[in-house]
Amino acid sequence: GQQVMQIPQYQHVQEGEDFTTYCNSSTTLSNIQWYKQRPGGHPVFLIQLVKSGEVKKQKRLTFQFGEAKKNSSLHITATQTTDVGTYFCAGPSNKLIFGTGTRLQVFP
Amino acid sequence: NAGVTQTPKFQVLKTGQSMTLQCAQDMNHNSMYWYRQDPGMGLRLIYYSASEGTTDKGEVPNGYNVSRLNKREFSLRLESAAPSQTSVYFCASRVGSNYGYTFGSGTRLTVV
Repeated sequence: GQQVMQIPQYQHVQEGEDFTTYCNSSTTLSNIQWYKQRPGGHPVFLIQLVKSGEVKKQKRLTFQFGEAKKNSSLHITATQTTDVGTYFCAGPSNKLIFGTGTRLQVFP
Repeated sequence: NAGVTQTPKFQVLKTGQSMTLQCAQDMNHNSMYWYRQDPGMGLRLIYYSASEGTTDKGEVPNGYNVSRLNKREFSLRLESAAPSQTSVYFCASRVGSNYGYTFGSGTRLTVV
């Protein structure tokens, strides 16, 4: 079955540093979604990528879909304490398969 | 709009007890889902309903049953709770398969 892996599992950064999480799928994806979950909260949809090589930006967040549509990345520029949480990617189909997540901790 | 509403927010059960987790959405979404999330882990799909009147198994359906009562409501039932079912349960909905999920705030279930 489809598997979606994320690295790293944890990342601790100093406020102001950049952060990147990578998502890799065992199969080609028609699209990929990204979610953020704050500690103690529920996942919140951030964005969906559809096209090969697509790059989308949301303020300090940059999302990229690989050319082969088997991987994706989320890059945060100049992290802030409000970026703390776990970031999940999720593969497509009628039943989304979520990645293992990357937990981001930001120290002020 | 309330979005996706889950009840209860917290529950403690004894092993062998049964209970139903309720989920309702007011966004006219077609698809609804139940996930569980264990500490430090990602979300695993239990059951889903792609549209009213249909339900299908996800990755971890054993020990659970679901009912898509109508377009708004999708309930999850534990017939005989086990400690391994201690988890946070999230209900989610979306318009269709190419859209993002809207999640409820979760039910934190402990089985002792």
